[in-house]
Amino acid sequence: QITLKESGPTLVKPTETLTLTCTFSGFSLTSRPVGVGWIRQSPGEALEWLGFAYWDDDNRYSPSLKSRLTLTKDTSKNQVVLKMTNMDPVDTATYYCAHRLPYNGDWNSGYFDYWGQGALVTVSS
Amino acid sequence: EIELTQSPATLSLSPGERATLSCRASQSVGTYLAWYQQTPGQGPRLLIYDASNRATGIPARFSGSGSGTDFTLTISSLEPEDFAVYYCQQRSNWVTFGGGTKVEIK
Repeated sequence: QITLKESGPTLVKPTETLTLTCTFSGFSLTSRPVGVGWIRQSPGEALEWLGFAYWDDDNRYSPSLKSRLTLTKDTSKNQVVLKMTNMDPVDTATYYCAHRLPYNGDWNSGYFDYWGQGALVTVSS
Repeated sequence: EIELTQSPATLSLSPGERATLSCRASQSVGTYLAWYQQTPGQGPRLLIYDASNRATGIPARFSGSGSGTDFTLTISSLEPEDFAVYYCQQRSNWVTFGGGTKVEIK
């Protein structure tokens, strides 16, 4: 059974760097075509895709946020870490990690078949 | 960026009724479209992918259709647990989501 869970701070200050950890079970991020995605949802708003972390570290990022995002993985801990720099109040959102439905090709995109419960992050001084 | 427009924003129906939700893309996405269901406090649940394929464990009352720019999610007979927000998502060019349709109890 695949499960994912996000963890990290609930409050960050403007200009700080956000670090969130996705801890997963039921799969391994060590072989093709496994990937983990990050998606966020501002209060009352729609969903916004942030990026994918892949087994081969050839990670992909939303073009609009690429300069601020870094995804890394720790396969021994079954974790993917998201770092987002220069946080702003508009980045206040629930951040989700999700398992990418496995298929080969088009690594810039995908569907998400298992999701975490989400982590609410508020950006405020 | 491909924009997805969902309609209506809110659908008020009674249990047992048929629900028809629409998603329109700003350019063709082929059949690279998915539908998700989200209930309060939960992450979205994948219902349909590649326009018409039901995800694992999804009841047969959920069906998807369409291609190109116009897509439909149909719930044949609403169960109490189906009252939720539904999102479409495309994977033809990067990933974008629609604004959602809330299915509420009439």
